[in-house]
Amino acid sequence: SQTIHQWPATLVQPVGSPLSLECTVEGTSNPNLYWYRQAAGRGLQLLFYSVGIGQISSEVPQNLSASRPQDRQFILSSKKLLLSDSGFYLCAWSVRSYEQYFGPGTRLTVT
Amino acid sequence: KNQVEQSPQSLIILEGKNCTLQCNYTVSPFSNLRWYKQDTGRGPVSLTIMTFSENTKSNGRYTATLDADTKQSSLHITASQLSDSASYICVVSAAGTYKYIFGTGTRLKVLA
Repeated sequence: SQTIHQWPATLVQPVGSPLSLECTVEGTSNPNLYWYRQAAGRGLQLLFYSVGIGQISSEVPQNLSASRPQDRQFILSSKKLLLSDSGFYLCAWSVRSYEQYFGPGTRLTVT
Repeated sequence: KNQVEQSPQSLIILEGKNCTLQCNYTVSPFSNLRWYKQDTGRGPVSLTIMTFSENTKSNGRYTATLDADTKQSSLHITASQLSDSASYICVVSAAGTYKYIFGTGTRLKVLA
């Protein structure tokens, strides 16, 4: 069966510090991968999606970036965090755009 | 513009009661529509998914309907339980894309 992992589960970082969130998927090949952010009490905002290794599409211009070094690994990064980067970050995967499965999420607080 | 709107924004009901959540969309061309349940601090979990040709789909006490002509969907929860307290999110995907359009969700609270 397929499984999606995200870590860390929670993170508190000072403004201006770097960020690296990791997502890995097990049990499937060549998935579409997604990064979403959810502000408190708000809907999900698509940040990045990837249809293959090294292929990244950005939806929202900001100080975040994403990389896909391996087929089932998706990384969200920032060189310098802003207060507005605080939120709940969700990784998700899908195959053929039918069902989409979400990871457990990372709660990021920028102080 | 592809959009998904949900109503009500929030809802409070007593345990054991039924409720219906609404979703209107303007996504075109339509591929499929899903309903997710998201507990606080957790990732969304799929409840149902429907394609153009499906009108109704059930998952236990959850029943989703789809009217592709009016571009409306509803999620009916029967005999609510305290554990149903969560946000319910309607998501529509457009054919030929890898993207999903999310509604802002309905926050349901079930009281004892």
